[in-house]
Amino acid sequence: AQKITQTQPGMFVQEKEAVTLDCTYDTSDPSYGLFWYKQPSSGEMIFLIYQGSYDQQNATEGRYSLNFQKARKSANLVISASQLGDSAMYFCAMREGNWGTYKYIFGTGTRLKVLA
Amino acid sequence: EPEVTQTPSHQVTQMGQEVILRCVPISNHLYFYWYRQILGQKVEFLVSFYNNEISEKSEIFDDQFSVERPDGSNFTLKIRSTKLEDSAMYFCASSESEGLGRETQYFGPGTRLLVL
Repeated sequence: AQKITQTQPGMFVQEKEAVTLDCTYDTSDPSYGLFWYKQPSSGEMIFLIYQGSYDQQNATEGRYSLNFQKARKSANLVISASQLGDSAMYFCAMREGNWGTYKYIFGTGTRLKVLA
Repeated sequence: EPEVTQTPSHQVTQMGQEVILRCVPISNHLYFYWYRQILGQKVEFLVSFYNNEISEKSEIFDDQFSVERPDGSNFTLKIRSTKLEDSAMYFCASSESEGLGRETQYFGPGTRLLVL
């Protein structure tokens, strides 16, 4: 079963506008972590933001925020004031497993293109 | 800022040859991981390692694969007899802990392996 679903294979956004990248997840664990990573064309995986399942507040890191809706099992990434350098592949991931056996499950990614 | 490093950045090998991919995790991190990403596809978990032993491995991580922490800093992935389908980007990652809030995995820049 698909544990992480990213339904948008590609997105366009105008420079300086905000964009939301969707992510839904499926787990029966009460304790889990959700992550977003950015992968530019150079290939590296850059950590952006983390949300713990027990966190009361939505996570924010600079221009990135995570719209965490636990009941709907969604963890959408919001990028405000998009910049040309934000053009990249974005992956949502979930920590799965028990203590000592954790691994990340990744979604298929969303390719974001920021337009000048 | 501390980072995960990987060598080599690119490796070309003949089918059936052994390859060793090297990683230096962040120095105070205790948990280490290998992932792979076949071109254009999602990132897949291979193996996690803690306290000098494998914690968890995926079905991809068969007998052809092994991991080792030969000294206090390096973490290696060995593929004994490479196959064409092993061609991928291999990412090493490390995390400080597995407790919520300190479980974020930081990825290295990857090694692009091409098997001919």
